[in-house]
Amino acid sequence: EAGVTQFPSHSVIEKGQTVTLRCDPISGHDNLYWYRRVMGKEIKFLLHFVKESKQDESGMPNNRFLAERTGGTYSTLKVQPAELEDSGVYFCASRKGGSVEQYFGPGTRLTVT
Amino acid sequence: AQTVTQSQPEMSVQEAETVTLSCTYDTSESDYYLFWYKQPPSRQMILVIRQEAYKQQNATENRFSVNFQKAAKSFSLKISDSQLGDAAMYFCAYWPGSARQLTFGSGTQLTVLP
Repeated sequence: EAGVTQFPSHSVIEKGQTVTLRCDPISGHDNLYWYRRVMGKEIKFLLHFVKESKQDESGMPNNRFLAERTGGTYSTLKVQPAELEDSGVYFCASRKGGSVEQYFGPGTRLTVT
Repeated sequence: AQTVTQSQPEMSVQEAETVTLSCTYDTSESDYYLFWYKQPPSRQMILVIRQEAYKQQNATENRFSVNFQKAAKSFSLKISDSQLGDAAMYFCAYWPGSARQLTFGSGTQLTVLP
């Protein structure tokens, strides 16, 4: 069984540019989460999908961040326009409904210069 | 709001020795789950061990065990017979269950010395 995958693994962009991160959850996992860790700090929740619906987006920092989950499969997280403080590692996790464990992807390291 | 605190940013242990990583949390919930995740360098985060709050017995997974003190809201991880492959960032996390998110501590970087 393939794990959670994320693309790209690294992204370096300039302030003001747009970046789109992608997450492919484990097949059959209805729950998909996005988290972010900025340098040396806690991993913070961004949002949670159940299938294609946003269950909770209370962690999204501002309207420069847009997340989608087309057809309840993969998800994208777009940052537009990127700011310096958006730099960090963005993690995606998926969880099968009724289970406890969240399975994490390897993360995307975003650097905004 | 729930908070998770890891007061040890860095720890080191000699190979084959035992080390304990500390974690405290704050919650008003009575039912929840606690986890320890491990993130080796440049690799993805994996679950090491989990504890259900309603269980009094401490969870154990091979060389990894926890000391769960519900009243004190403490959840420490003990690694016995430390191996070089245990070197990683360890995150303590809290989950109240249902359709809610994990709350993480800031992590403890563990170094294993040969």
